[in-house]
Order: sequence, then C-alpha cells, then structure tokens
Amino acid sequence: GENVEQHPSTLSVQEGDSAVIKCTYSDSASNYFPWYKQELGKRPQLIIDIRSNVGEKKDQRIAVTLNKTAKHFSLHITETQPEDSAVYFCAADNDYKLSFGAGTTVTVRA
Amino acid sequence: DTAVSQTPKYLVTQMGNDKSIKCEQNLGHDTMYWYKQDSKKFLKIMFSYNNKELIINETVPNRFSPKSPDKAHLNLHINSLELGDSAVYFCASSQSGGGPTYEQYFGPGTRLTVT
Repeated sequence: GENVEQHPSTLSVQEGDSAVIKCTYSDSASNYFPWYKQELGKRPQLIIDIRSNVGEKKDQRIAVTLNKTAKHFSLHITETQPEDSAVYFCAADNDYKLSFGAGTTVTVRA
Repeated sequence: DTAVSQTPKYLVTQMGNDKSIKCEQNLGHDTMYWYKQDSKKFLKIMFSYNNKELIINETVPNRFSPKSPDKAHLNLHINSLELGDSAVYFCASSQSGGGPTYEQYFGPGTRLTVT
C-alpha cells in the first residue's frame, strides 16, 4: 500500500515568513495529492490539491509543487499569518483511499 | 445547512460497553468514510462505502461494524469497547468517480473516551 512521509513534524515561523512542508510517497500509481488543514479542535479541511498532470498550483498565499519522478510534493505558505497556525496533513490516493502523512504542526509567532 | 454531521460530539463510556456513532451528509455524495484520529493526530482510514456498498475495510478489529442504510448515512457501531479505542472518529464524504480523487468533506468529529 501507499506510504506517505511528512516533514517536519513541527514548524515554528515568524509572522510574515514562509513555511514549507514536504511529503514523499511510495506508490508511483498515485495521482491525487491533497493538503488538509486542521485547526485545534476542528475538522480537517481541504486547502489545496494537485493532480499528477500538473507540476505546480497556487491559490493566493499557498502553493503546492509536485515532482512525480522523485515522488515528492511540497506545500508552501507565504506571508504567514497567525491564522495559519494549525496542523497540516498531506495525502496521496491509492486503491480508492487517501493515505495521510503524520501531520505538521505549524505555529506562527507574532 | 451542515454538510456532514455526526452525533454525538462527545462520548464517554466504560470498557466493555457497546456504542454507536451516526453520520449524515446532505451533499449528495455517494461515498462515505470513517477515519480514526489518535492522540498523536494521525488520521487513519477505517472504512469506506460507495452507494451503500463496502469498498474499503482496513485492518480494523471486527468489534467495529459500519452500516450504511442509504448513501446519505454511515453509522459506526463498536462492541466491547477497549481503552485503546479512545480517539476522535471522523466521518467524511466525497463524490466518487472510480477513486478518491475528489475533495473529502469531514464531519466535526466524535471524541470517544473509554474509561
């Protein structure tokens, strides 16, 4: 099955700086790579996703890049704000299900 | 107008009891899921139903039994609860299309505490 590794597990950034989270996956058949944000005590919510026919996708301050050859993808958050503090999960699809990374706790310092 | 709802939000019970968690979605999706999120925040899929048919059944103790009476509802029944079952259980739904390549909408979660 799919194995998704996510790094770092925790990330502390100064407000206004950028944050980068990296994930690797094992199954070359995976084609869909979503990122979910989970605020404390809340449900995970999709913030951006990318499919295998695209190398990069951007939505305002967040962007995702995908390298299918190397089997890794990354989330970039620019101009971080306090409301970006949350746990971020990457995921990859495999056999009709999503396999999630272990999560990255992002703390934005004011 | 809640998209995916779960009841109850909190569940505190003793070891050995049997309990159920209910989930409903009003998005018109035909695929629903149960996830378990442990204390380390790891999200692990347990089950998935597509049009009331079980399509994913991960390595889950058979004390856990999902039931889908229709494609808008997916319930989770747990027998003989154990301490290790304490976690947050999330229901989710998505469109189907031959695979989970659509956004999954999560419910608010049910925090289960077994004492």
